[in-house]
Amino acid sequence: AQSVTQLGSHVSVSEGALVLLRCNYSSSVPPYLFWYVQYPNQGLQLLLKYTSAATLVKGINGFEAEFKKSETSFHLTKPSAHMSDAAEYFCAVSDGSGGGADGLTFGKGTHLIIQP
Amino acid sequence: GAVVSQHPSRVICKSGTSVKIECRSLDFQATTMFWYRQFPKQSLMLMATSNEGSKATYEQGVEKDKFLINHASLTLSTLTVTSAHPEDSSFYICSARSPPGVGYTFGSGTRLTVV
Repeated sequence: AQSVTQLGSHVSVSEGALVLLRCNYSSSVPPYLFWYVQYPNQGLQLLLKYTSAATLVKGINGFEAEFKKSETSFHLTKPSAHMSDAAEYFCAVSDGSGGGADGLTFGKGTHLIIQP
Repeated sequence: GAVVSQHPSRVICKSGTSVKIECRSLDFQATTMFWYRQFPKQSLMLMATSNEGSKATYEQGVEKDKFLINHASLTLSTLTVTSAHPEDSSFYICSARSPPGVGYTFGSGTRLTVV
C-alpha cells in the first residue's frame, strides 16, 4: 500500500522568500511521485513528476523537487515566492508513471499563503 | 498537451434526483479514467477506476449502485450520482491516464450541490 504525508496543512511565506513544501511517501515498489497545484474550484495542474530518472526534477513556474530515497522524501521548493503561487499543493504517489492500473494516492494537501 | 474536459463545472440538484458528470479526453485516447471526490479543504479520494469497455472498479466504501460509471468509448467516461442526497455534495474530479511522458491529466472538476 502507498501513502503520502504532507507536513504542514498551511505554509505562509513572504513574497520573494523561499518556498518549501514537504512530502514524505511510503511505497512497497519504486514510486512515481507527483506534485500538483489546485486553485479554488479548479482541477489539478501538474507541476512536476519523478519517474526514476534524475532525482532533481524541475517543473513549471520555477518549482523543483528532489527525490531522496534514503529519506523517502520529495519536497517541493521554489527560490522566490510570487503572489500567484498562493494555492493548494498536493503531493501524490503511484506505482507507475501514469501507466499503472491504479489511480494516484494523494497527500492531504498544503495551503500555501504568500504574504505581501 | 493532453486535455481532459469535464462538464458541468457546477450543478445544483434536488435531493432524490440524478446527476450525470461527463469527462472527455480531447486529443488522446484514454483507456482508463479515474474518478475522485474532494470534500472542502480536504484531499482527493479515489472513488473508482473506469476502463473502456468493461466494468468500473470501485474503491472500498464507495457504493457502486449510487455512483454509476460508464466508459463507453476511448474518449468519454461518465459518472452518474443517482438519488442524490445532501451528503453527496462535493467536488468531483476526473483524471485520465494520458500519453507517455505526461502521466495523469485532470479535468477541471464539478461542484455538486444537492439541496
